[in-house]
Amino acid sequence: NAGVTQTPKFQVLKTGQSMTLQCAQDMNHNSMYWYRQDPGMGLRLIYYSASEGTTDKGEVPNGYNVSRLNKREFSLRLESAAPSQTSVYFCASSDRVQPQHFGDGTRLSIL
Amino acid sequence: DQQVKQNSPSLSVQEGRISILNCDYTNSMFDYFLWYKKYPAEGPTFLISISSIKDKNEDGRFTVFLNKSAKHLSLHIVPSQPGDSAVYFCAARERDDKIIFGKGTRLHILP
Repeated sequence: NAGVTQTPKFQVLKTGQSMTLQCAQDMNHNSMYWYRQDPGMGLRLIYYSASEGTTDKGEVPNGYNVSRLNKREFSLRLESAAPSQTSVYFCASSDRVQPQHFGDGTRLSIL
Repeated sequence: DQQVKQNSPSLSVQEGRISILNCDYTNSMFDYFLWYKKYPAEGPTFLISISSIKDKNEDGRFTVFLNKSAKHLSLHIVPSQPGDSAVYFCAARERDDKIIFGKGTRLHILP
């Protein structure tokens, strides 16, 4: 049982490049989330999806887009990467009964 | 404006003694509170939770206390063990299933 799987684990981009971070969960959870973790800032919610077909902004959505492709998959896209988006990105999933389960993160560096 | 606050960035505790991690919140609509533990290079893992209708929940060495009137919760770990050294995040859930995290407290267990 894999839980929450994030790809890639590491990525280096140049300013202005685009990329998509992938996330998939196999726990049949309705809700999925994208967070970023920065030193001294804790975990900040970027976007979340309470169910298939719906997405909502979190605390820090600027510069990102998301797609809830189906119940299992929730992707995060950076259209034009900026150095301020250098961070560790975590995907999570949950339902109202279970707490959030997190992936192991994607370390993204933007030069 | 931070809705979940962990005012101690770090805490050092002697092995075998009690560790107390504190958390304050501002949103009275939170109905569920959680603690997560995070090791370096891994995603956060769920530790213990408490519903807003309770004031205490215990699971082995871990106990969470909730004081709704003070909008304060705490995590007690007793006895503290070397493997407890990690970053601990306090989190609170809104009714739409969105979860807000604090900035975390780094716990060091000293030999």
